[in-house]
Amino acid sequence: SQQGEEDPQALSIQEGENATMNCSYKTSINNLQWYRQNSGRGLVHLILIRSNEREKHSGRLRVTLDTSKKSSSLLITASRAADTASYFCATRPGANSKLTFGKGITLSVRP
Amino acid sequence: NAGVTQTPKFQVLKTGQSMTLQCAQDMNHNSMYWYRQDPGMGLRLIYYSASEGTTDKGEVPNGYNVSRLNKREFSLRLESAAPSQTSVYFCASTWGSANTGELFFGEGSRLTVL
Repeated sequence: SQQGEEDPQALSIQEGENATMNCSYKTSINNLQWYRQNSGRGLVHLILIRSNEREKHSGRLRVTLDTSKKSSSLLITASRAADTASYFCATRPGANSKLTFGKGITLSVRP
Repeated sequence: NAGVTQTPKFQVLKTGQSMTLQCAQDMNHNSMYWYRQDPGMGLRLIYYSASEGTTDKGEVPNGYNVSRLNKREFSLRLESAAPSQTSVYFCASTWGSANTGELFFGEGSRLTVL
């Protein structure tokens, strides 16, 4: 069963707008990760945030983590058509636990 | 650097046939994983190998077997394929769960069972 659930399931925005995607999970975690998957390709790791961190940045990506609400958000600023992809959150309940993926969010960025 | 390489990329089988999906990584990673991805289901873990010489079941192991041939290679075998095994299969690797835990994925193997 999925530990993380992303919201919304699909998101369509205009190029240049910001995209916000959310992930909720059920049990306490060691870390939470976000991955991107372009159509027909494998997943690519974007960013990892540990349970003792509240915010991380990587280029145009900003990830927040609220352990009290068991939720995380991925913000992509100034989106581009090339950001069109599926985005997955994945959680690791413990340091030696396996990564569990959500079902993903489909992001479409219109030129 | 090739990263994680999966073969074949596409395969069509008839029900009852067997086949092996191959995976190799050149990053000296300790842990390797096999996932399947189905529409609306996300990724589900089939089997994993935390280190050379060990393998363990994941969430959906029935109908599959694995072999960790050496540190580089981790194969997934379907002994008697069923239509329910039609899916996209991904191999992934990482240093080990004690470290960053970031997974590196292959490009996938698309399997259709008729």
